[in-house]
Amino acid sequence: KNQVEQSPQSLIILEGKNCTLQCNYTVSPFSNLRWYKQDTGRGPVSLTIMTFSENTKSNGRYTATLDADTKQSSLHITASQLSDSASYICVVSAGSNYQLIWGAGTKLIIKP
Amino acid sequence: NAGVTQTPKFRVLKTGQSMTLLCAQDMNHEYMYWYRQDPGMGLRLIHYSVGEGTTAKGEVPDGYNVSRLKKQNFLLGLESAAPSQTSVYFCASSPSSYEQYFGPGTRLTVT
Repeated sequence: KNQVEQSPQSLIILEGKNCTLQCNYTVSPFSNLRWYKQDTGRGPVSLTIMTFSENTKSNGRYTATLDADTKQSSLHITASQLSDSASYICVVSAGSNYQLIWGAGTKLIIKP
Repeated sequence: NAGVTQTPKFRVLKTGQSMTLLCAQDMNHEYMYWYRQDPGMGLRLIHYSVGEGTTAKGEVPDGYNVSRLKKQNFLLGLESAAPSQTSVYFCASSPSSYEQYFGPGTRLTVT
């Protein structure tokens, strides 16, 4: 069964600190892996999309890694800001946009 | 550009009532999608469309119908609402089978 599991479920860190969120997947076939940021009461917004051949991709203070051999991905946030408080969702595509497997997300809270 | 908009933002229905959720996009995207998001779960695809006049079932289509009469609009209908359909509904669009752009969501409560 295709699955995407994220850890931790929730995380609280102080402003300015770094953090890393984890994503493990069992999806076949694999097309690409995406990370989304979802603010409370808003729709998800894409942070990165990585294909099989990419193992690191950055978007500002966000850096995603992908290990296709172990089927793991991580999202590293550097120098966190209060605006980083959100849910971060890992999504794996098994081909097209109607074959997406969504994780339940990690809820990140940044405290001043 | 407004991007993807959804109407209404909130709605409360009684069991058995019907309603239509409207999604509109001004980016000329071919693909449109309807998802539901429930606490502790990932988004689940209800229906999707790969172009004007076409629709297809997603992972959880039962109890919902859709129509895509115009390229920019994608309607989601509930013919007889049930409490199990209490959820947050998101519409998305994409230019191809790649990056998706999401609307702000509709929070629906069925009592």
